Amino acid sequence: GENVEQHPSTLSVQEGDSAVIKCTYSDSASNYFPWYKQELGKGPQLIIDIRSNVGEKKDQRIAVTLNKTAKHFSLHITETQPEDSAVYFCAASNSGAQKLVFGQGTRLTINP
Amino acid sequence: GAVVSQHPSWVICKSGTSVKIECRSLDFQATTMFWYRQFPKQSLMLMATSNEGSKATYEQGVEKDKFLINHASLTLSTLTVTSAHPEDSSFYICSARDPRHPNTEAFFGQGTRLTVV
Repeated sequence: GENVEQHPSTLSVQEGDSAVIKCTYSDSASNYFPWYKQELGKGPQLIIDIRSNVGEKKDQRIAVTLNKTAKHFSLHITETQPEDSAVYFCAASNSGAQKLVFGQGTRLTINP
Repeated sequence: GAVVSQHPSWVICKSGTSVKIECRSLDFQATTMFWYRQFPKQSLMLMATSNEGSKATYEQGVEKDKFLINHASLTLSTLTVTSAHPEDSSFYICSARDPRHPNTEAFFGQGTRLTVV
């Protein structure tokens, strides 16, 4: 089955700087890669996603890149703000199985 | 947009009792829902796939007799933790995808914090 590895487990950056979180996946059949933000005591909220037919996607300060050959994808947050502090999870799935396999999570702290 | 609602948001129960958690899709019909468990500072681990009108599919290592899943309607799936013990204390989260858009966003409920004392 699918296995998703996420790094780093913790990340601390100064407000205004950029943050990058990386994930690798094992199943070449995976074709959907979402990123979720989870705040304490709440369910995950989708912040951006990418499909395997696209190499990059951007939404304001957030961008995701996908390298299908290397089976890795990354989340980029620019101009970080204190409200970006949370735990971020990457995930992978394929259109057949639908179920998501999550990475281990990254606790992002933005220092004012 | 589509919303998944989970109830209750938190529950405390005594060891040995059973607890039921509900997951509802509010504006779409979900033939499939997913149940996850998340221990503190850990990732979401898929427990089972809930299938409307048929038996749930459990992930390896998840006891189907302990975690009973019922998906009796297209908008409701329930997870019952039977004979709960302190080690079952966790954050339980459900999710569903709108079948009209199968390979799109999975919507998550707000989660249920279960504490077994």
